[in-house]
Amino acid sequence: DAKTTQPPSMDCAEGRAANLPCNHSTISGNEYVYWYRQIHSQGPQYIIHGLKNNETNEMASLIITEDRKSSTLILPHATLRDTAVYYCIVRPSSNTGKLIFGQGTTLQVKP
Amino acid sequence: GAVVSQHPSWVICKSGTSVKIECRSLDFQATTMFWYRQFPKQSLMLMATSNEGSKATYEQGVEKDKFLINHASLTLSTLTVTSAHPEDSSFYICSARGRAYSNQPQHFGDGTRLSIL
Repeated sequence: DAKTTQPPSMDCAEGRAANLPCNHSTISGNEYVYWYRQIHSQGPQYIIHGLKNNETNEMASLIITEDRKSSTLILPHATLRDTAVYYCIVRPSSNTGKLIFGQGTTLQVKP
Repeated sequence: GAVVSQHPSWVICKSGTSVKIECRSLDFQATTMFWYRQFPKQSLMLMATSNEGSKATYEQGVEKDKFLINHASLTLSTLTVTSAHPEDSSFYICSARGRAYSNQPQHFGDGTRLSIL
């Protein structure tokens, strides 16, 4: 599965958009990009996933570059409750579905 | 949305005892369940993948005789930490996915914090 690279930490002001980048330059054509987040002492929470088109749901938007080598997760109006570790993971739909977690980005939303 | 329930959420026990953790998918049938372990300030590490009705597949370095996994139904998987010792203290998290070999996301339980005295 392709490896992802994320900045270790980011800050964001409450109410502003949080843009979390992820590089996945070795992504294959059949690999999806998944985003999860983990709030302290809880299990990871699914946010969004996509293959090549931009995606939006009630939680966030996912912007994938045309060459698919990077993506950005956008939280449009960050709140204090969005403070968490955000994980960007790529995996093919053809495998067993296991997710390999990297170190993620710790997002701190500040008042 | 999909809900995965994990029980217990916290357990403290003496060294040498065995501990069973349950993972249930509440509103969908989970053909595949996964077990992860997380140490403080570290990321999640996949321990094993289990498919309903078959033996679990363990990741390299995970002792299958130490961590017994049973996935007897489409809604329940259990992880038993046998003869637990202090070094087994960790945060254990399960996840479940419905249809196999698809792009459906996994959904995670809230984890079990295991402390071995």
